[in-house]
Amino acid sequence: ETGVTQTPRHLVMGMTNKKSLKCEQHLGHNAMYWYKQSAKKPLELMFVYNFKEQTENNSVPSRFSPECPNSSHLFLHLHTLQPEDSALYLCASSQDWQDNEKLFFGSGTQLSVL
Amino acid sequence: GEDVEQSLFLSVREGDSSVINCTYTDSSSTYLYWYKQEPGAGLQLLTYIFSNMDMKQDQRLTVLLNKKDKHLSLRIADTQTGDSAIYFCAESGATNKLIFGTGTLLAVQP
Repeated sequence: ETGVTQTPRHLVMGMTNKKSLKCEQHLGHNAMYWYKQSAKKPLELMFVYNFKEQTENNSVPSRFSPECPNSSHLFLHLHTLQPEDSALYLCASSQDWQDNEKLFFGSGTQLSVL
Repeated sequence: GEDVEQSLFLSVREGDSSVINCTYTDSSSTYLYWYKQEPGAGLQLLTYIFSNMDMKQDQRLTVLLNKKDKHLSLRIADTQTGDSAIYFCAESGATNKLIFGTGTLLAVQP
């Protein structure tokens, strides 16, 4: 148990669906991250939030919409996704966004887009 | 740009040593990291090395850094079936953000 909890663990959705991924951290950290893990590709940083403010958006398509209501919770809202968006989505946290080297990861949400 | 490369797969027999290799491009990296991802889990920091060191040993793990060649390796001695996982190499690039490789799947045969 790393202190970072993600739900759901698995998600199957159609291209016209709207769904949300949830992440919660119990570590008192101030920074939270979304990463995308695809087979045979490097881990991709998608978004970074520090003290609820978005500090990084790595050219992510607008069909992915993050939300950070407080320092402990992070959401990723999904709509009109494409099959190539199927991947493992990992949430992580760190004490501060400049301390991103000491990341604590959740177990991820395995997303399949049909 | 910043890039980290690893081979995708390594198979070893139980009890042998495993060596996972990584190359990176950003010479300004302060730290280099190895993360481990077990099946169905997120990544966990396994070990790291400061860029002014060339070796770090931690029990069965040995990290070697060749800064001139920008080459990092992780050696696992007496590999066990529980070591089967994906191992990610990462560097802290010029922007202070972690740059990860593709991960190397280590399969340990009994």
